[in-house]
Amino acid sequence: DAGVIQSPRHEVTEMGQEVTLRCKPISGHDYLFWYRQTMMRGLELLIYFNNNVPIDDSGMPEDRFSAKMPNASFSTLKIQPSEPRDSAVYFCASRSGALGGDTQYFGPGTRLTVL
Amino acid sequence: AQSVTQLDSQVPVFEEAPVELRCNYSSSVSVYLFWYVQYPNQGLQLLLKYLSGSTLVKGINGFEAEFNKSQTSFHLRKPSVHISDTAEYFCAVIFTGTASKLTFGTGTRLQVTL
Repeated sequence: DAGVIQSPRHEVTEMGQEVTLRCKPISGHDYLFWYRQTMMRGLELLIYFNNNVPIDDSGMPEDRFSAKMPNASFSTLKIQPSEPRDSAVYFCASRSGALGGDTQYFGPGTRLTVL
Repeated sequence: AQSVTQLDSQVPVFEEAPVELRCNYSSSVSVYLFWYVQYPNQGLQLLLKYLSGSTLVKGINGFEAEFNKSQTSFHLRKPSVHISDTAEYFCAVIFTGTASKLTFGTGTRLQVTL
């Protein structure tokens, strides 16, 4: 299996622009998670989906952030408009099984820089 | 309040020496416990996890951890480290009742030198 795939790996954009991050989970996994990693706040869960349905978006920082999962093999995280404080590494992770103890598999991350 | 604490932000150690990375949590409910490793410019990889049963858990790359309920700890150990173990290590917890939400500690940077 190719693992969790994220694109792009690096994104540099200017403040005010729209940014779209993409994730392909491991085939057969029915949970998908979006995390953000910064020096100041560490690793934070932004949102997660189960069977393509958003379950908990309480970690989404503000209305500028939105996430979708149109099908079982694709999810997007969009920031519009982007701000310099959004600069971070964004990780996608997926998991199969309904137990919280099941392992989450992480993608390589997208490093976002907003100038 | 539910929280995860990694007190050591950095741990320098010589190659072939033993190492312990500390993790403590605060919770009034039962927990699932995890250790993840992050190599530079990579995603997180699971080292080991504790769900139930034996409190000593063995993971990949020679790492092990012990769950201590009375001390609410889940320290990670390796008897002899290698240069290749240099990485960031994260302790993470799922508090039962919070569904699938992994709460991460702030991480410990393990720096192995010759």
